[in-house]
Parts: sequence; structure tokens; C-alpha cells
Amino acid sequence: QSVLTQPPSVSEAPGQRVTISCTGSSSNIGAGYDVHWYQQLPGTAPKLLIYGNSNRPSGVPDRFSGSKSGTSASLAITGLQAEDEADYYCQSYDSSLSGSVFGGGTKLTVL
Amino acid sequence: EVQLVQSGAEVKKPGESLRISCKGSGYSFTSYWISWVRQMPGKGLEWMGRIDPSDSYTNYSPSFQGHVTISADKSISTAYLQWSSLKASDTAMYYCARGRNWFDPWGQGTLVTVSS
Repeated sequence: QSVLTQPPSVSEAPGQRVTISCTGSSSNIGAGYDVHWYQQLPGTAPKLLIYGNSNRPSGVPDRFSGSKSGTSASLAITGLQAEDEADYYCQSYDSSLSGSVFGGGTKLTVL
Repeated sequence: EVQLVQSGAEVKKPGESLRISCKGSGYSFTSYWISWVRQMPGKGLEWMGRIDPSDSYTNYSPSFQGHVTISADKSISTAYLQWSSLKASDTAMYYCARGRNWFDPWGQGTLVTVSS
């Protein structure tokens, strides 16, 4: 059981918008720690997608956006493309564990 | 280009020891922490622990404390993850990643297979 909770899967048609939630607690997201998002394409290493809740690294399309509120965070992807089909993970810091924690991951299927 | 390059795939027997490596290049190795992340077959990412290469200070996830050892040799910009006695349940892909808060970049991964 992961410390951060994500839906196991989401699906949407090409061109549409999808959001992926990441729910934590008072010892991680709710304590004010930042949330970061990663994309893992099949058979590859994870890649940083969003850092510091809502910042995109250079090269990440502005179709990807992040937000955080209370004990939760969300990743939104607009204008879905077939190449967005991947696993997405949220990550934060947990003060009770004194280390980083990941969500269980969400598999995005582009129908 | 900032890069982390990991050592190659390993096949080991239960009870054997193993050390895998992660070499950083394109940046000041001692300026960024290195974390190790496990991904078991078909499963999600698990943070194992991290090291500050400047002073070799480490901290581990409670789930991995005592089961693995993280170390670094700053003279050759390389971090290590080692086991003294492997178990079949250690079969997984292991990634190293750079960073204190978020992780970027990641190494390409080292597949460790433990089987009798």
C-alpha cells in the first residue's frame, strides 16, 4: 500500500483532457511538501514531468500541468495524444518516514 | 549533458552478494544527492534511500533499512547499491536518480534477477 494514493488507471479519447489525482496525508502533501510527477513510457526509465507542484522542466509540453491543494495534488493532460500512453507517478516527501514516497502509479490509456 | 549511467544486468543466486553502480557525468557529482528506486516486475516505484556524495551521509526508507547499503566514491563520481545476501524477492529493476526534492535525470536502470 503506497503512502500516496493514485487511481490505478484512467482512460480518455485522443484530444480530450484527463486528470490524475494523488492523495496524501498530513505528514506529506498536507504538511506542505511539494509534489512532483513522472512519466514512465513502456520499457523505459521514469522521466520528470512536473516539479514543485506545477513547474514544467524544459522540453515538457504545456499540455501537461500540475496543481496542489490541501492533502492532494493533480496532474492534468490536455489534447491527449497516443504518445501520452504511459504510467504516471506522483512523489513527495514524508516527514514521518523521513524520506521520499511515491504514489502507486496510474496507467493512462488513450482510447 | 547531465547523465547517470548504470552498470549492466545481473543474474545471481540466492545468498550471493552484489554491488551495482551509477556513474554521474556532466555536472558536479558532489552537489546533488543520489537516490535509488526499486521497481519490481509489473509494479510501481519504491524509494529505497539516498546518499549525499559530498559527505556520504545516507538515509534509507524503513522498508529497505538493513537490507541494502548505499555508498559513493566521489573521486570517480559513482554511487553504489549493494546487497550482502540476495533473495529471490530482490528480483527487480533498480534505478538511480539525481536530486534532493525531485529526481532528474534517472539512470537507465539495472535489472537484477535472483534465481536458483
